[in-house]
Amino acid sequence: SQTIHQWPATLVQPVGSPLSLECTVEGTSNPNLYWYRQAAGRGLQLLFYSIGIDQISSEVPQNLSASRPQDRQFILSSKKLLLSDSGFYLCAWSVLTAGNTIYFGEGSWLTVV
Amino acid sequence: AQTVTQSQPEMSVQEAETVTLSCTYDTSESDYYLFWYKQPPSRQMILVIRQEAYKQQNATENRFSVNFQKAAKSFSLKISDSQLGDAAMYFCAYRPREHQGAQKLVFGQGTRLTINP
Repeated sequence: SQTIHQWPATLVQPVGSPLSLECTVEGTSNPNLYWYRQAAGRGLQLLFYSIGIDQISSEVPQNLSASRPQDRQFILSSKKLLLSDSGFYLCAWSVLTAGNTIYFGEGSWLTVV
Repeated sequence: AQTVTQSQPEMSVQEAETVTLSCTYDTSESDYYLFWYKQPPSRQMILVIRQEAYKQQNATENRFSVNFQKAAKSFSLKISDSQLGDAAMYFCAYRPREHQGAQKLVFGQGTRLTINP
């Protein structure tokens, strides 16, 4: 069965510092991968999605970037964090053979101080 | 653009009773999927139930069922025999039926469900 792992689970970073959140999917090949952000008390916002290695699409302009160096690895990065980057970040995956349903990782809490 | 609206920010129900969470959506598409996700205090998003728009039969998963009204663009979730573990934030979500490329979910703002013992 497919599993998704996301880390770190919790992160406290100062303003201006870099960020790297990593996500890995196991048990499937060529998944679509996603990064979502959830601000406190709000719904989810799609940040990036990827349909293949080095194929990244951004949904909203922001201080963040994403990369997919391997088929089942998705990384969310920033060179210099802003206070407004604080939130809960969720990685997710989907494949056609699983009905194209989107499944989420455990999430990462980012607090920028 | 598609939108999803959950008009109930908070709901509460007595343990063992039934509760219905409301969701409406707006789309010009005729073929799409609808989902309910549950987000417990651990914050992980867990799929509860999924409905395909071309299917007239309402989806059910054990104690969870939906009332899908396509013409009214309504997609409510019914939880029967509520349990303490059902306490969570519930999100309604929509996505068009795309056969290729990424499947982009549009989420509602969520309904916080409290179960009273």
